[in-house]
Amino acid sequence: DQQVKQNSPSLSVQEGRISILNCDYTNSMFDYFLWYKKYPAEGPTFLISISSIKDKNEDGRFTVFLNKSAKHLSLHIVPSQPGDSAVYFCAADMSGGSYIPTFGRGTSLIVHP
Amino acid sequence: DAGITQSPRHKVTETGTPVTLRCHQTENHRYMYWYRQDPGHGLRLIHYSYGVKDTDKGEVSDGYSVSRSKTEDFLLTLESATSSQTSVYFCAIRDFNYEQYFGPGTRLTVT
Repeated sequence: DQQVKQNSPSLSVQEGRISILNCDYTNSMFDYFLWYKKYPAEGPTFLISISSIKDKNEDGRFTVFLNKSAKHLSLHIVPSQPGDSAVYFCAADMSGGSYIPTFGRGTSLIVHP
Repeated sequence: DAGITQSPRHKVTETGTPVTLRCHQTENHRYMYWYRQDPGHGLRLIHYSYGVKDTDKGEVSDGYSVSRSKTEDFLLTLESATSSQTSVYFCAIRDFNYEQYFGPGTRLTVT
């Protein structure tokens, strides 16, 4: 049973528009959430994170929103660029836990010029 | 960039042969992980280590073993490779922060 779900395997967006990637979780013990970006033939790289004490975290064009009551988080990319085309993984972790994050299956984002 | 390398980067092997993949870090991070990435499955944890000689199983550990005799090295062994183990394998490291740093990956093909 997936505790972290990314229900959209793929997303296609026009350059300059907003990309919204979604992630849902079921375990209420999760209190820290991360997004990783993965290009083909490379390892994932950390992109942005958010603690459960916040509902928004922003880093340049990337913003992550957390809705704890809905157990939902989203990554917004504004404006989207062709270089943002990659697979994005959502991950959830818990403080004082076992240092084993739980990953979603990823969403492949394609940004068309 | 975190100092983490994987070797080999590509390998083709035959069914039934043993295979060892190596992960090496220069960051002195305590935690090390092996994942496999397959289409439709995302990143699945095979084994992890929380210190020298301290390892534990992940969700897809059957057919795999690991060893960590030094802080910097984490070895993944496929005892008898099967075609279902054809995959891309990623090593990751982590200290006491939440972020993981991933290696470049090893593409393994079992024929």
